[in-house]
Amino acid sequence: DQQVKQNSPSLSVQEGRISILNCDYTNSMFDYFLWYKKYPAEGPTFLISISSIKDKNEDGRFTVFLNKSAKHLSLHIVPSQPGDSAVYFCAASAGGGGSNYKLTFGKGTLLTVNP
Amino acid sequence: DADVTQTPRNRITKTGKRIMLECSQTKGHDRMYWYRQDPGLGLRLIYYSFDVKDINKGEISDGYSVSRQAQAKFSLSLESAIPNQTALYFCATSDFAPSRGAGELFFGEGSRLTVL
Repeated sequence: DQQVKQNSPSLSVQEGRISILNCDYTNSMFDYFLWYKKYPAEGPTFLISISSIKDKNEDGRFTVFLNKSAKHLSLHIVPSQPGDSAVYFCAASAGGGGSNYKLTFGKGTLLTVNP
Repeated sequence: DADVTQTPRNRITKTGKRIMLECSQTKGHDRMYWYRQDPGLGLRLIYYSFDVKDINKGEISDGYSVSRQAQAKFSLSLESAIPNQTALYFCATSDFAPSRGAGELFFGEGSRLTVL
């Protein structure tokens, strides 16, 4: 039972254009969502997060949108740069940071930004 | 130096052998985790620990055990390795940040394990 779904294994965009990575979730208890970026031979690194009390969070070129009614979130990167080429993981947690905490990851989307 | 260090970075072993992957951190975080990454399956949680006396199973703990030797050290053991445990293993840490929900995880660089 996959609770966090990234249905696009890969995405290719041109440099300067917008990249949109999508994520769907099934567990209505999830209340905090994160995006991680992973380069080959490195561990994942935190990119941006959003709490369920918000519908948008922005950090420079990166914006995450949350649609709770649709159980959907998306990561927008604009403008896309070749250095953004990496695997992006969507992750979700429920119950705040307490004893019920667990971070569940999607399968990842490989983003390729072409010069 | 990396804040989360995993050893070994690469290991090839044979079926039935005992393997230990070690993780140490200098971030001062109480919470530590072991994840496994397989192609097409993303990151799956094996075990996690919220402090030295706390050990919890994740979604795929069968065939694995862990030890939290100190706040800074968390090791993962495969008592009798099998080929389908061939994967990339990540250690991660986090602090407790209720204002941000779960708090972000900080990952090590990974340990690639091949079981022949």
